[in-house]
Amino acid sequence: DAKTTQPTSMDCAEGRAANLPCNHSTISGNEYVYWYRQIHSQGPQYIIHGLKNNETNEMASLIITEDRKSSTLILPHATLRDTAVYYCIKSAGGTSYGKLTFGQGTILTVHP
Amino acid sequence: NAGVTQTPKFQVLKTGQSMTLQCAQDMNHNSMYWYRQDPGMGLRLIYYSASEGTTDKGEVPNGYNVSRLNKREFSLRLESAAPSQTSVYFCASSAGMLGGQETQYFGPGTRLLVL
Repeated sequence: DAKTTQPTSMDCAEGRAANLPCNHSTISGNEYVYWYRQIHSQGPQYIIHGLKNNETNEMASLIITEDRKSSTLILPHATLRDTAVYYCIKSAGGTSYGKLTFGQGTILTVHP
Repeated sequence: NAGVTQTPKFQVLKTGQSMTLQCAQDMNHNSMYWYRQDPGMGLRLIYYSASEGTTDKGEVPNGYNVSRLNKREFSLRLESAAPSQTSVYFCASSAGMLGGQETQYFGPGTRLLVL
């Protein structure tokens, strides 16, 4: 089961929107897309997840393409505290119990 | 709520020594997980417990054992530590639903150095 594909690193200016892409071309029908982030070697923090519809919460928005082969995480007004590694993950789905398979993620650096 | 707590925060071992990493959650979650994270890498699943009384191997289980002591606690044991087990260990928990569509909550991690 292939992991997702993300750019190694991205930069964003403080106050601007950060758009983080993710490719998950092998996603199956019952798999969700999850986004987590990890700030400075702390434990990963849940951001948002979705199946096929776009989702928004207080932290971010998730845009999933109609064919579900890719998605974009949007942080609408990035701050310095959003500097972190962002992981895009397909949930194992099916009869599993929420196992997550982490890739290497995208290092997002927000600069003044 | 403290969420997920882990002890110790940091540990140094000599090769061949044993130790147990402790994890507890106060969210009444059914499922718990142990991951390791090596420098510059993503997390890899060692073992998980879908519910109290059950445990299963993850991606990298060799050299580890686990115990789901009760619903709250899930421990990870290294019987004979090796330098290759130098890593940061994260415990996580989730509500525990068939189908895996749920959020995991992570502890702060235990940094282990094996000399």
